[in-house]
Amino acid sequence: DGGITQSPKYLFRKEGQNVTLSCEQNLNHDAMYWYRQDPGQGLRLIYYSQIVNDFQKGDIAEGYSVSREKKESFPLTVTSAQKNPTAFYLCASSIDDSYNEQFFGPGTRLTVL
Amino acid sequence: AQKVTQAQTEISVVEKEDVTLDCVYETRDTTYYLFWYKQPPSGELVFLIRRNSFDEQNEISGRYSWNFQKSTSSFNFTITASQVVDSAVYFCALSETTGGGADGLTFGKGTHLIIQP
Repeated sequence: DGGITQSPKYLFRKEGQNVTLSCEQNLNHDAMYWYRQDPGQGLRLIYYSQIVNDFQKGDIAEGYSVSREKKESFPLTVTSAQKNPTAFYLCASSIDDSYNEQFFGPGTRLTVL
Repeated sequence: AQKVTQAQTEISVVEKEDVTLDCVYETRDTTYYLFWYKQPPSGELVFLIRRNSFDEQNEISGRYSWNFQKSTSSFNFTITASQVVDSAVYFCALSETTGGGADGLTFGKGTHLIIQP
């Protein structure tokens, strides 16, 4: 089945540690996105990528990094510089840009202990 | 700057009632896209509808309908004869064209809809 997978579903991290969230899609989409969701809040854009080897900062990129070495993969690293990393992280993809429907993965819930 | 406002934080109705979720947006673009997504308790967002700024026709899909009014910058969502399975958080979102379409969606804070049996 085509879709977006994110792993792990739950992730616990100690303060000061970097952690990488996985996002894979087999929809052959060019564009991929990372969003952060906090309780009672909407989604906020962290990073986005329109093509392989290119990505741009979103509204809240500080403390995060990404790579786009393959079309189907867009991993997100939450670094120790991110001051409040506990949140629900959602990955999405669309055919070529955000004018089109974005398909979302199941999300990763990150908790910093 | 773009902004999406969903003033209703939480709505609770009894099953079979009709319910309308409000969405008001702000944009300087003349061409833009509006979306509604549903987020059930599992967390994954489910796409419901996309509407471009030049298409003001209302749309109906089964029990769901959408009312787009550019004059009031609103894109409201109505569920007719609500069911318990409709319980979820609903998000309205906006995509402008000035960024070339590559800069993601701007989401409202969502409306938590509770349908009581």
